[in-house]
Amino acid sequence: DVVMTQSPLSLPVTLGQPASISCRSSQSLVHSNGNTYLSWFHQRPGQSPRRLIYKVSNRDSGVPDRFSGSGSGTDFTLKISRVEAEDVGVYYCMQSTHWPPYTFGQGTKLEIK
Amino acid sequence: EVQLVESGGGLVQPGGSLRLSCAVSGFTFSTYNMHWVRQAPGEGLVWVSRISRDGSSATYADSVKGRFTTSRDNAKNTLYLQMNTLRAEDTAVYYCVRDDGSPGDYWGQGSLVTVSS
Repeated sequence: DVVMTQSPLSLPVTLGQPASISCRSSQSLVHSNGNTYLSWFHQRPGQSPRRLIYKVSNRDSGVPDRFSGSGSGTDFTLKISRVEAEDVGVYYCMQSTHWPPYTFGQGTKLEIK
Repeated sequence: EVQLVESGGGLVQPGGSLRLSCAVSGFTFSTYNMHWVRQAPGEGLVWVSRISRDGSSATYADSVKGRFTTSRDNAKNTLYLQMNTLRAEDTAVYYCVRDDGSPGDYWGQGSLVTVSS
């Protein structure tokens, strides 16, 4: 199974400041078709997760452009250019290249300082 | 508007069974692979199962293999998760999830399953 490791697990951020979350996989996420299936999700307390990014860097519809995804191979990053109050919650990365199983990172809890 | 609405959760004793349903609307159900993902209280997201568009192929996490069965009725626009021989560690919110080429473009609101005596 592919192990997804996120860091940090807790991320206190000042409003308006940038934030960055790292996600590393135990093996390359490049699929034989050339795509890299790495997604990012955001879950607010008491809500269902929402996908923000798919295939490393593609923003989902309606996702603010302050969110960006980057990376390749085994090393990926989610960046928020300027954190807003609505960005609090837990962020998860997930790989869907090597399945089953599909695997998630442990989650990174973003809070406002 | 795309909607996924889970139902069927509740309290069940260890060793018991439960069937979750996920009624979908707002898209052509038969053209999407679907998943179940669960989240134990205070814990992270864990993938449970995937089913192909036509229902001919289902895959499972090792933790539920042999106990859970995923199926779908494309005529009724409904996804199912039959859960047998339930254990305390199966206690979780279960989400129905759409796959548009990557899992998770839409999620249901979740259905809580509590396994306890």
